[in-house]
Amino acid sequence: AQKITQTQPGMFVQEKEAVTLDCTYDTSDPSYGLFWYKQPSSGEMIFLIYQGSYDQQNATEGRYSLNFQKARKSANLVISASQLGDSAMYFCAMREGLTGNQFYFGTGTSLTVIP
Amino acid sequence: DAGITQSPRHKVTETGTPVTLRCHQTENHRYMYWYRQDPGHGLRLIHYSYGVKDTDKGEVSDGYSVSRSKTEDFLLTLESATSSQTSVYFCAISSESYSYNEQFFGPGTRLTVL
Repeated sequence: AQKITQTQPGMFVQEKEAVTLDCTYDTSDPSYGLFWYKQPSSGEMIFLIYQGSYDQQNATEGRYSLNFQKARKSANLVISASQLGDSAMYFCAMREGLTGNQFYFGTGTSLTVIP
Repeated sequence: DAGITQSPRHKVTETGTPVTLRCHQTENHRYMYWYRQDPGHGLRLIHYSYGVKDTDKGEVSDGYSVSRSKTEDFLLTLESATSSQTSVYFCAISSESYSYNEQFFGPGTRLTVL
């Protein structure tokens, strides 16, 4: 079974609008971490935001927030006030255990921001 | 930014030839990783290291070997390259000293096997 599932291969959003990128995960470990990375067309991987399995509140980092629904095993990324520079691939990832070494990545969602 | 470099950045080689990719870090971090990125698959872990001479296999380790003789260098070797190993290869590092033990990635190496 896939550890991380991203069901949206491509998404479009109007500039200045908000967009939600979906991510569901599968683990039986009560301790885990969830990450989102951005990969622009230049190719580098940029860490965006983190949510720990025991965190009571949803993580936020500037215009990025993580809608963490533990019972549904979902960790959706919300980007508010989209900018043209947000056009990129976005990857959801999970680390099992709070200090585990193996990360599992989803297949990614390509986001295009339309002016 | 984490100090991670990869060399070469681009390589074209022929089937059956050996290839070694190098990852170099200046952060003195314990954990290093090799991933491959392919369309429709995201990033998949090949091998990782948790210290000098300490390595373990990841999800897609067949056809790859690694070595880490110094903290700063993690080498990925394709003993006999095949066309299925055409991919973009990323090195990553992590440390418990990071707030979330997150991984930071190198710039990637684009490998084409003809």
